[in-house]
Amino acid sequence: QKEVEQDPGPLSVPEGAIVSLNCTYSNSAFQYFMWYRQYSRKGPELLMYTYSSGNKEDGRFTAQVDKSSKYISLFIRDSQPSDSATYLCAMSGSAGGTSYGKLTFGQGTILTVHP
Amino acid sequence: GAGVSQSPRYKVAKRGQDVALRCDPISGHVSLFWYQQALGQGPEFLTYFQNEAQLDKSGLPSDRFFAERPEGSVSTLKIQRTQQEDSAVYLCASSTGVFAPEAFFGQGTRLTVV
Repeated sequence: QKEVEQDPGPLSVPEGAIVSLNCTYSNSAFQYFMWYRQYSRKGPELLMYTYSSGNKEDGRFTAQVDKSSKYISLFIRDSQPSDSATYLCAMSGSAGGTSYGKLTFGQGTILTVHP
Repeated sequence: GAGVSQSPRYKVAKRGQDVALRCDPISGHVSLFWYQQALGQGPEFLTYFQNEAQLDKSGLPSDRFFAERPEGSVSTLKIQRTQQEDSAVYLCASSTGVFAPEAFFGQGTRLTVV
C-alpha cells in the first residue's frame, strides 16, 4: 500500500461547479501538505500548502487537513475550463526530522472542466 | 533565469546508451531534488542535494543512476546503460532553504528508451 493514496479519476465537471479533490495517507510524520497543479507536458506548480491540521483559503481554492483522519482535501469553487489539469497532493515531514522537504506524492487526479 | 530550467526537454535513447540530464535551479536555492514521474503516476523521489552535498540518494532505482551537483548550483542526473523501464519524465525541483515546504519544479525531461 502506498503512503499517499489519491483517486486518479478522471473527474469531469461543468463550468462553475464546486470540485472536491482528496487524498489519504498513512505516515503520521507528515506535517506539511501541498497541492500541486500539473498541466500536460509541464512541471508541477505549487497551488498552496498547509502546515498541520486546519483550513487555508486562497481565492477560489480551499485546502483542508484532518490529521486525526489522515485525510486532506482541496476544494475549487466556481471552476473554470482553465482549471483543467492533473492535481497532485504531496506531503513532507517536519523540519525537526530528516525530511528536508522531500515530497511524497499521490497519483494525481485528472480534472476536466467543460464549458 | 526566473525558474528552474531543465535540458533537454525531450531525449530519445537507444537501449544501452548513457544519458545526462541537466538541471539549473533557481539562483540561490540551497535544496535541489530529482524526481521520476512515470506515465499516469505522481512524481517519485530519487535524490536530494543540500548545496553540493548529496544527503539522500535512497530513491535511485539502481546503481546505473548517478547524480551530482559539484558547485552547489547546476545538477546533472546520469543514467548509464539505459533500459526501457527508465522511460519517464525526470523532474528537478529547488527550494530556498534546508527545509522549505515550497519546492519549485522545472518542466522536466521526457526520456524515451527505445
